Amino acid sequence: DIQMTQSPSTLSASVGDRVTITCRASQSADNWLAWHQQKLGGAPKLLIYKASTLQSGVPSRFSGSGSGTEFTLTISSLQPDDFATYYCQQYKLYPYTFGQGTKLEIK
Amino acid sequence: QVQLVESGGGVVQPGGSLRLSCAASGFTFSRYSMHWVRQAPGKGLEWVAFIRYDGTDKYYADSVRGRFTISRDNSRNALFLQMSSLRPEDSAMYFCAKDDDGHRGIEYWGQGTLVTVSP
Repeated sequence: DIQMTQSPSTLSASVGDRVTITCRASQSADNWLAWHQQKLGGAPKLLIYKASTLQSGVPSRFSGSGSGTEFTLTISSLQPDDFATYYCQQYKLYPYTFGQGTKLEIK
Repeated sequence: QVQLVESGGGVVQPGGSLRLSCAASGFTFSRYSMHWVRQAPGKGLEWVAFIRYDGTDKYYADSVRGRFTISRDNSRNALFLQMSSLRPEDSAMYFCAKDDDGHRGIEYWGQGTLVTVSP
């Protein structure tokens, strides 16, 4: 199985900050990597697929990069609506696997 | 717009069974593969099972293989998860999710249905 490891687990930041979350895969996922956002008590929502392609309707302040075993999600200028938990997920191989999540908190 | 509505969750004793359903609308259900993903209280996301759009392929997480069965009824736009030999560690919110059968992977998620396995 491909193990996904995110860092940090928790990130405290302020509105307007630029933040980056890292996701590492235990073996190459090529660019079959997605980022999902989950707000408290809600369903996840796809933000980015194929490592760097923004899902329709997602604000352009979100961006993704990387390939192989190292990936990043960047939010260029945090907005109040962005405080949530973010998960990376590989979909190169079954079983699909998720990172443990990064909780983005208001500083 | 895509809508996925799960149902069938509840409280069940260890060793018991439960059948989850997911009603799909807003897209041509028979053309898309589907997943179940779960989330234990306060924990992260865990992929559970996949079924191809026509039902020909099914994959399971090791933690549920042999106990859970994923199925679908394309005539009713419905996805199912039959769960048996339930354990306390199966307690979670269960999400139904649509695959895009292309480059996006898991594209849309339902709101989930809660399963609690407890004596």
